[in-house]
Formats: sequence, structure tokens, C-alpha cells
Amino acid sequence: DIVMTQSPDSLAVSLGERATINCKSSQSVLYSSNNQNFLAWYQQKPGQPPKVLIYWASTRESGVPDRFSGSGSGTDFTLTISSLQAEDVAVYYCQQYFSAPFTFGPGTKVDIK
Amino acid sequence: EVQLVESGGGLVQPGGSLRLSCVASGFTFKSYYMHWVRQVPGKGLVWVSNINRDGTTTIYADSVKGRFTVSRDNAKNTVYLQVNSLRVEDTAIYFCARTIRGNYHLDYWGQGTRVTVSS
Repeated sequence: DIVMTQSPDSLAVSLGERATINCKSSQSVLYSSNNQNFLAWYQQKPGQPPKVLIYWASTRESGVPDRFSGSGSGTDFTLTISSLQAEDVAVYYCQQYFSAPFTFGPGTKVDIK
Repeated sequence: EVQLVESGGGLVQPGGSLRLSCVASGFTFKSYYMHWVRQVPGKGLVWVSNINRDGTTTIYADSVKGRFTVSRDNAKNTVYLQVNSLRVEDTAIYFCARTIRGNYHLDYWGQGTRVTVSS
């Protein structure tokens, strides 16, 4: 199974400042035949199901604000919130869908400083 | 509007069984793979199982293999998760979600149904 790790476990950022979350997979999730990284980022607010923000490591889901961006390739990925807003307080998860079981990272909690 | 509505959760004793259901609407159900993901309240997400479009192929996490069975009825726009031989550690909220292909991101999720395994 592919093991996903995230860092930090939690972070507190001032409103308007940048938040950066890292995700690492135990093996590459880059599919060479189409050069796509099978990696998604989800946001989960309390009492709600997760919501996809980013897929293919860097493609923003329709309707997701452009302050959210994803980057990385192979085994190392980053989710960046360029200017943190109050509504971004949530737990963020990365997930690989390269091979089953489609494992998630442990999550990173983002709060306002 | 895409909707996924889970039901069937509840309190069950260790060793017991439940059948979870997820009714889909607002999209062509038979064109999508369906997944189950669970989450212990306050903890992380754990992928459990998926089923392909016509129900002929299923995949399970090792932790539930042999105890859980996923199935679907495309005429009823419903995916099921039969959960048997329940353990205390199966206590969680169970979400259903969809993907357009097997290896794809989960683009819509239901609100979840809570399963509590306790004596």
C-alpha cells in the first residue's frame, strides 16, 4: 500500500498570510504514460464531508477560489493557500488514487493565528 | 444537483451486521464508480471499498476484506455496503462518494451515516 504522510500536523496562520501544507507518498504516484500525478487535496470543515479542492496534483476543481493551488510531482506535493481567509479554517487531506487502496494522508488542521 | 444520501447506520453489537445504503440523484449513476470512505469522528479519512460501473469489480481495504461487501443496483441508483462481523474499531462515519473512473479523485461525497459498534 502507498503510505501518505503530511506536514505539519497543524498550523496557525494570520488572516491574509500564506499557508503551506506538504504531502509525501511512499512511492511515486506519477503515471508515466500520461505524465499525471494521481494526487488530490480535500478540505473538510467540521460536521461536513470532504470537498475536493485540487486533483491531478495541480488542477483546481471548478468553483474553488484561486488562492488554493497545488504543486509537486512524483512523491512530494504541496497545497498552498496564498492568502488565508476565515472560511479556510478546516482540515486538509491529500489522497493518492494511483493504486488501491486509495490512501489518504493523516490531515493537517489549519487555524487562524 | 448531485446528491448522495447515505442511510442504514446505527448501534450494533460486536459481531453484528448492518447494510448501509447510498442513494444517488442528479447524475447518471451507472456511469460512475462508487466508493465508501470511513472516518472515526475527530480522526482521518480511510478508504474502504469501491465498485465499478456495472458492479462486476470490487476492491476492498485489507482491514475489511472478507467482512464487508459492496454492491450496487443501477436501476435504483443505489450502492450498498454490507458490513458483517463488526468490530469496535469499525465504529465510524461511513461516506459514499463517486468517481468517473476507478483511479480518479472523489468529486462528490454524501453526508455520511454513523455506525457505532459497542456492547
